[in-house]
Amino acid sequence: EAQVTQNPRYLITVTGKKLTVTCSQNMNHEYMSWYRQDPGLGLRQIYYSMNVEVTDKGDVPEGYKVSRKEKRNFPLILESPSPNQTSLYFCASSPRAGRWGAPLHFGNGTRLTVT
Amino acid sequence: DAKTTQPPSMDCAEGRAANLPCNHSTISGNEYVYWYRQIHSQGPQYIIHGLKNNETNEMASLIITEDRKSSTLILPHATLRDTAVYYCIVGSDKRGANNLFFGTGTRLTVIP
Repeated sequence: EAQVTQNPRYLITVTGKKLTVTCSQNMNHEYMSWYRQDPGLGLRQIYYSMNVEVTDKGDVPEGYKVSRKEKRNFPLILESPSPNQTSLYFCASSPRAGRWGAPLHFGNGTRLTVT
Repeated sequence: DAKTTQPPSMDCAEGRAANLPCNHSTISGNEYVYWYRQIHSQGPQYIIHGLKNNETNEMASLIITEDRKSSTLILPHATLRDTAVYYCIVGSDKRGANNLFFGTGTRLTVIP
């Protein structure tokens, strides 16, 4: 089944403890992206990747890192999490990017709580 | 980047057509209109997209006005499982990325 898989689904951690949220897609998509969703703010893009070894900042990149060493994987790294990073996170992928890009396929989300 | 305006909430009776409006008066000539929905806190689900012509698929129909400043998503026979937040989005080419701006959408409640 074609899908975007995020792990874990739920994560509770403490301030400053490094964590990684994994994202994998099995559709051979070039484009991948991370979003966070907070009440009243909609979804905001954190980082995106146009292809392997190509990443760029989205609208809210502060406090996050990403890497794209393989086409299928796009992990989100929080080196020193803080409470304001408590949020619902979504990974998404698409065959291609651009103004007339193909629709995004989303994972089921990771709910992160930082205490 | 073109932004969209949607009503915050709507109700629809089960079995009836749900018509969700969206205004995008600043849309540019090459930008598509996309519709996604999000059920509870699941990942957003793609529904349909279009450029100028009306579009239909197994989930919905998309009607785009001739001047492209507004559109309507039509769910022909709404069911309880269609209760969700519906996002109308105009594609952005910001830095060449597929950065679709998800606002707060329309919360559709299908009533039995």
